[in-house]
Amino acid sequence: KAGVTQTPRYLIKTRGQQVTLSCSPISGHRSVSWYQQTPGQGLQFLFEYFSETQRNKGNFPGRFSGRQFSNSRSEMNVSTLELGDSALYLCASSLAFLSPLSGRNTGELFFGEGSRLTVL
Amino acid sequence: DQQVKQNSPSLSVQEGRISILNCDYTNSMFDYFLWYKKYPAEGPTFLISISSIKDKNEDGRFTVFLNKSAKHLSLHIVPSQPGDSAVYFCAAGVDRGSTLGRLYFGRGTQLTVWP
Repeated sequence: KAGVTQTPRYLIKTRGQQVTLSCSPISGHRSVSWYQQTPGQGLQFLFEYFSETQRNKGNFPGRFSGRQFSNSRSEMNVSTLELGDSALYLCASSLAFLSPLSGRNTGELFFGEGSRLTVL
Repeated sequence: DQQVKQNSPSLSVQEGRISILNCDYTNSMFDYFLWYKKYPAEGPTFLISISSIKDKNEDGRFTVFLNKSAKHLSLHIVPSQPGDSAVYFCAAGVDRGSTLGRLYFGRGTQLTVWP
């Protein structure tokens, strides 16, 4: 079973440019989340999609956006790049969150290897 | 606003001994907790979880303890092995039934297990 696939793995951009990152979830997973990892802040939640709808959004500026397609694949876009956007962007998929209080799905996320963005 | 905190950035343990990784949280609404392990150049991988209705969960060499009154959880690895050397992230979430995928992560603890 293929894991979560993210492309590109590495990219370099300059300030002011925009970037689009792609994520293919595990087959059958309908929920996709995006996280930003930086050395100083750890993993910060960006947004979450389920059935092509954004269900949750983290505390990031409007320059960060995303979408999900009918095949559950997702993209995120960052416009007007800033130096501080340099980070590892991680995509995670899950079947869907079922309450652990009922003993079902634990909310496990399956992460991809990430897209390393460097902004110069 | 760091709602999940891992105050030890690193931990070094000898092979065969116990590794204890700690995590504190501030949001009393959190009711499920997870640990992830991350190797360099890889995404985090799920290790073990616990819901707030329990105070302990075991899976092989890994045990997670939850102290709700102290808002503290810990991960015990016994015995520690060199292959356990990785960054360990503590994460927490709120069970709303329909919540999908939003987790709050700590900044991680680098565990080094030496022979």
